[in-house]
Parts: sequence; C-alpha cells; structure tokens
Amino acid sequence: ETGVTQTPRHLVMGMTNKKSLKCEQHLGHNAMYWYKQSAKKPLELMFVYSLEERVENNSVPSRFSPECPNSSHLFLHLHTLQPEDSALYLCASSQEFLNTGELFFGEGSRLTVL
Amino acid sequence: QKEVEQDPGPLSVPEGAIVSLNCTYSNSAFQYFMWYRQYSRKGPELLMYTYSSGNKEDGRFTAQVDKSSKYISLFIRDSQPSDSATYLCAMTFTGGGNKLTFGTGTQLKVEL
Repeated sequence: ETGVTQTPRHLVMGMTNKKSLKCEQHLGHNAMYWYKQSAKKPLELMFVYSLEERVENNSVPSRFSPECPNSSHLFLHLHTLQPEDSALYLCASSQEFLNTGELFFGEGSRLTVL
Repeated sequence: QKEVEQDPGPLSVPEGAIVSLNCTYSNSAFQYFMWYRQYSRKGPELLMYTYSSGNKEDGRFTAQVDKSSKYISLFIRDSQPSDSATYLCAMTFTGGGNKLTFGTGTQLKVEL
C-alpha cells in the first residue's frame, strides 16, 4: 500500500447509527487532516493532528469525533449525524503542519446520512 | 464575501484549446498559492505551487500570481481529454503552515 488509504469508500447510515471512517498514511508524515467536501462548496478543514496531538478543531459539531492513535492512523467517529452531514470526507497528510507544503489526499469516504 | 472566489463552471473546451482558470481572494496576507487537480472519485493532488507574485511553468501548465490584484490563474496549453477534472485553488499566509483556504473548484471538461 502506498500513499493515503481511506476506508470505507462508501457509507450509508441512519441518523441514530454509530460508524467510523479510517485513514492510513504510508508516507512517514507527521501531520494528518480531515476535510469535508460538499458540492459547490470549498474544502472545509475539520481537524488537524500533528505528531498525534490535535492542533486544529474548526468548530466542528461534537457528533464528529476524531482519533489519532499514532502518526500513521486517523479515525473519524460518527454518531447521531444529520442529513446535511452527507458529503465526501477526505483524509490528507503532510510532512509537517507548520511548514507549508504538499498535502497528500486519500480518495475519500462518501457518506450518505438517511 | 468569501475569502476565495472561484467560478465552479462547468467549463467545456475543445481538445487543443488554451484553458484559463482563475481565483480571486480578499486576504492580502496570502503568500503561498497552490492548484490542486481532482479527478472524479479521487482525492485532490497538487499540480502547482507558487510563492508570492510571478509565474511558474511546468510542462503545459503555467501558474500566475498577481498579488496587487489578488488574482491567481492557471493556464493549460494544448489541453487534452485527460485534463478533464476539477481544479481547486488553495492559498495560505506565512506562518499559516498547511492551514489552506480553498476555492470551490472549477470543473473542466476537454472534449474530443
């Protein structure tokens, strides 16, 4: 496996379900990110982890809960979501968070909330 | 007013055309400017990266930054069907690290 891998690629859940999105990076990077991508809207930064410490939390509702157990893995735990949370959730990694450089994105997890 | 404005398109051009994609922004502190390309059902990938004003060329792609006008452009020469994708501009300020502000993306289709 190379690059940034996200699972599952597609997820359908009811508003009362609990599910998790998983991201794994094989690039030896120190920073990992969750983005939300909705149609006709800019990419929305949700969370950033640098060396497993959360450094950004952009006013994201508590029904989204991130977890970074080590520098290679990132999770997004989902519970009691709303239909407006349906979107493509992208994971990304970079060498560092504080130095501007290239973000490497996964292919995304397409979430549909019924 | 959005920090970064980008026409979502779609933009349809014939093969071989020169394509111009643009973003305007409001924050004069932005110093780093990027273009990401996103194919359907894929994640974005970095295409061009420039710092401050000026031009940068890479093959058929040229990125241009005009800080005085708060305007950036991506030109694609001799466009190919394989260039069909959504192009996202992104930018940040010195000290902003990788906390990027993205445009909405412009969907480009290059027709045979």
